[in-house]
Amino acid sequence: AQKITQTQPGMFVQEKEAVTLDCTYDTSDQSYGLFWYKQPSSGEMIFLIYQGSYDEQNATEGRYSLNFQKARKSANLVISASQLGDSAMYFCAMRELDGGSQGNLIFGKGTKLSVKP
Amino acid sequence: NAGVTQTPKFQVLKTGQSMTLQCAQDMNHEYMSWYRQDPGMGLRLIHYSVGAGITDQGEVPNGYNVSRSTTEDFPLRLLSAAPSQTSVYFCASSPGNNEQFFGPGTRLTVL
Repeated sequence: AQKITQTQPGMFVQEKEAVTLDCTYDTSDQSYGLFWYKQPSSGEMIFLIYQGSYDEQNATEGRYSLNFQKARKSANLVISASQLGDSAMYFCAMRELDGGSQGNLIFGKGTKLSVKP
Repeated sequence: NAGVTQTPKFQVLKTGQSMTLQCAQDMNHEYMSWYRQDPGMGLRLIHYSVGAGITDQGEVPNGYNVSRSTTEDFPLRLLSAAPSQTSVYFCASSPGNNEQFFGPGTRLTVL
């Protein structure tokens, strides 16, 4: 069965420093996608970055990058130059890309990031 | 484009009451899903639909019904509310590739 594991319930980072949020996944599918979402205290789910299992390069979106290590089944999120507004819950998620349920995501339990001034 | 809309934003029910959470999207996406989020947990899939007239169960379907009569709408029905259904409910839609759009959520409390 598919599973997403986020082992860091909470993390602190100093403003302007970089931080890595860990995510490991388990799947027997060859074709899948990995997502990171940010959930601020206001509650909405904000899409940050996507990595496909066949993408050869690590995904980047502005200050966000995804450190994809397929053999280790890890998809860590790196936030560079942290800002106070980055304080939020961060969720890693995975989607099957084959089969009838390809619209659905499996989520980890999340990491709460707190940025210190 | 309004994206994914959900109503209501907040709801309080008494045990045993029924209600429908509304979800609509205007992006012509085939895939729509309902998730619930409980404290300390990620989102868990309740039901999903791969197109009008087609629905299926997710990880936690008990106590909920769905239907998909149009591409745009995907309502979630609570048949007889229980305190265990107190949660935040998110509706999502997807064109089926690397995108998934979430609604703003409905915060439901069952007393």
